[in-house]
Amino acid sequence: GENVEQHPSTLSVQEGDSAVIKCTYSDSASNYFPWYKQELGKRPQLIIDIRSNVGEKKDQRIAVTLNKTAKHFSLHITETQPEDSAVYFCAANNAGGTSYGKLTFGQGTILTVHP
Amino acid sequence: ETGVTQTPRHLVMGMTNKKSLKCEQHLGHNAMYWYKQSAKKPLELMFVYSLEERVENNSVPSRFSPECPNSSHLFLHLHTLQPEDSALYLCASSPVGGSNTGELFFGEGSRLTVL
Repeated sequence: GENVEQHPSTLSVQEGDSAVIKCTYSDSASNYFPWYKQELGKRPQLIIDIRSNVGEKKDQRIAVTLNKTAKHFSLHITETQPEDSAVYFCAANNAGGTSYGKLTFGQGTILTVHP
Repeated sequence: ETGVTQTPRHLVMGMTNKKSLKCEQHLGHNAMYWYKQSAKKPLELMFVYSLEERVENNSVPSRFSPECPNSSHLFLHLHTLQPEDSALYLCASSPVGGSNTGELFFGEGSRLTVL
């Protein structure tokens, strides 16, 4: 089955700095790579995603890059703010032709942005 | 936001108790999922129901028993649990078929403590 590795497990930055979180996946058939943000005591929420036919996607301060050959993808947050502090999860969809989602998640990264 | 609602939010039970977790979605989706979130571990997929049929069962012990009476409701029946089953149990939903983008919509979770 799919295996997703995520690094680092914790990341501490100063407000205004950039933050980068990296993930690798094992199944070359995976074709959908979302990133979820989970604030303390809250539900995971999708913040950005990318599909295997695209190399990069950007949404304001957040961007995701995908390298299919190397099987890794990264989340980039620029101009970080204290409200960006949360746990971030990457995931890969190994749907295998099914019509429903079947996400395999990374271990999560605790991001702390210091004012 | 009440797209996916889970009850109870917190549950404490002894190892001999029987309890149930409930999930309800108001998004018109046809797939529902149970994930387990333990400390320092990735979200683990437990069960998937698509069009009210169980389509995934990821080697979950029989002390966890899912039930999906209709596309809007999902239950997780618990009996004779172990302390290591203490975790946050997250319900999620998604469309199926052509409407499925891969995104999962999570509930707030049920925090389970087994004494």
